[in-house]
Amino acid sequence: DAKTTQPPSMDCAEGRAANLPCNHSTISGNEYVYWYRQIHSQGPQYIIHGLKNNETNEMASLIITEDRKSSTLILPHATLRDTAEYYCIVRVIAYNQGGKLIFGQGTELSVKP
Amino acid sequence: ETGVTQTPRHLVMGMTNKKSLKCEQHLGHNAMYWYKQSAKKPLELMFVYNFKEQTENNSVPSRFSPECPNSSHLFLHLHTLQPEDSALYLCASSHRSSGGRLTDTQYFGPGTRLTVL
Repeated sequence: DAKTTQPPSMDCAEGRAANLPCNHSTISGNEYVYWYRQIHSQGPQYIIHGLKNNETNEMASLIITEDRKSSTLILPHATLRDTAEYYCIVRVIAYNQGGKLIFGQGTELSVKP
Repeated sequence: ETGVTQTPRHLVMGMTNKKSLKCEQHLGHNAMYWYKQSAKKPLELMFVYNFKEQTENNSVPSRFSPECPNSSHLFLHLHTLQPEDSALYLCASSHRSSGGRLTDTQYFGPGTRLTVL
């Protein structure tokens, strides 16, 4: 699975959009980009994933560049409850493979009033 | 609520005790996972079960013994642990599909905070 690079920390004002970048320059054609977050001492929470196209769900939007070497997670209206560690993970999805999620160093997002 | 429950949520045990962690998923998934998260460290995968068969053991010491009696339940039996085994133990589940869009998105439980004295 390809390696990802994220900034260690970011701040965001409450009510504003939080844009979390992720670099994955060695991504392969069959690797998906996943985002999870973890609020202190809780289990990680799935946010969104995508392959090539931009994706949106009720939590966030995922923008993947055309060359797929980087992506941005957008929380459109951040709230204090969005304060958490955010992880960008690149992985292959295929039946009968390990199913590993390799968590690296994420971005600690602090949403401030 | 993710549909994955773990009990107990907190556990304190001595090095000579035997205890078990339990995970149950209510999502109809067919793969289950154990992860360990030590303080200030990323999650580490321990075990993977696919259709109740163990498909991955990530060099975990034998004092940790997993059991998957069916696709909804996963246990982690603990025996003769060390203080450095104190950590947050997380269970996850996913649906491994052989056809259609392969999502395999893992959903995590709240974890068991284990302290070994």
